[in-house]
Amino acid sequence: ETGVTQTPRHLVMGMTNKKSLKCEQHLGHNAMYWYKQSAKKPLELMFVYNFKEQTENNSVPSRFSPECPNSSHLFLHLHTLQPEDSALYLCASSQFRTSGSQNEQFFGPGTRLTVL
Amino acid sequence: AQSVTQPDIHITVSEGASLELRCNYSYGATPYLFWYVQSPGQGLQLLLKYFSGDTLVQGIKGFEAEFKRSQSSFNLRKPSVHWSDAAEYFCAVGGKEYGNKLVFGAGTILRVKS
Repeated sequence: ETGVTQTPRHLVMGMTNKKSLKCEQHLGHNAMYWYKQSAKKPLELMFVYNFKEQTENNSVPSRFSPECPNSSHLFLHLHTLQPEDSALYLCASSQFRTSGSQNEQFFGPGTRLTVL
Repeated sequence: AQSVTQPDIHITVSEGASLELRCNYSYGATPYLFWYVQSPGQGLQLLLKYFSGDTLVQGIKGFEAEFKRSQSSFNLRKPSVHWSDAAEYFCAVGGKEYGNKLVFGAGTILRVKS
């Protein structure tokens, strides 16, 4: 595998289900991100992890729970979601430098989530 | 705070015609600027980036962009569009003060007619 992979690619779940999205990056990066992409809305940053530590939670509801066990893997645990949570969830990674310089983010193909 | 405006939601161009997609940003210091492309059902792919130096940057697939500080713009151009360029294009801005966060524009959908 190369780049950033995400599984599953498609997920349909009921509002009472619990599911998890998985992201894996094969680029040796130390930062990982979750984004939400809804129709007709700009990309929304949800969570940022640098060196496995969460550094950003962009006012995301607690029904979304991220987990970053190591620099290569990122999960998004989902429970009691609402229909408005239906969206494309994108994972990205980058090489973060504490000097402040910025590197580009590399994106996975996304998980298309439908909440019934 | 950073913000990005892509004024055009949709653009339609004929195959072989030139293309310019507009991007304006709001950021107090020197920005880091990016253009990404997204095909249907796919993630975002980086086309090009500007961090410093030459204000005209070349990217993949024949795209280029020019950073104009006086206009707070970073417009994407291509001299001759191919049908395979039909996709959604996103401009993004970052900056040293914001660590590794990026702010994305709402995107411009490019349609190519033959």
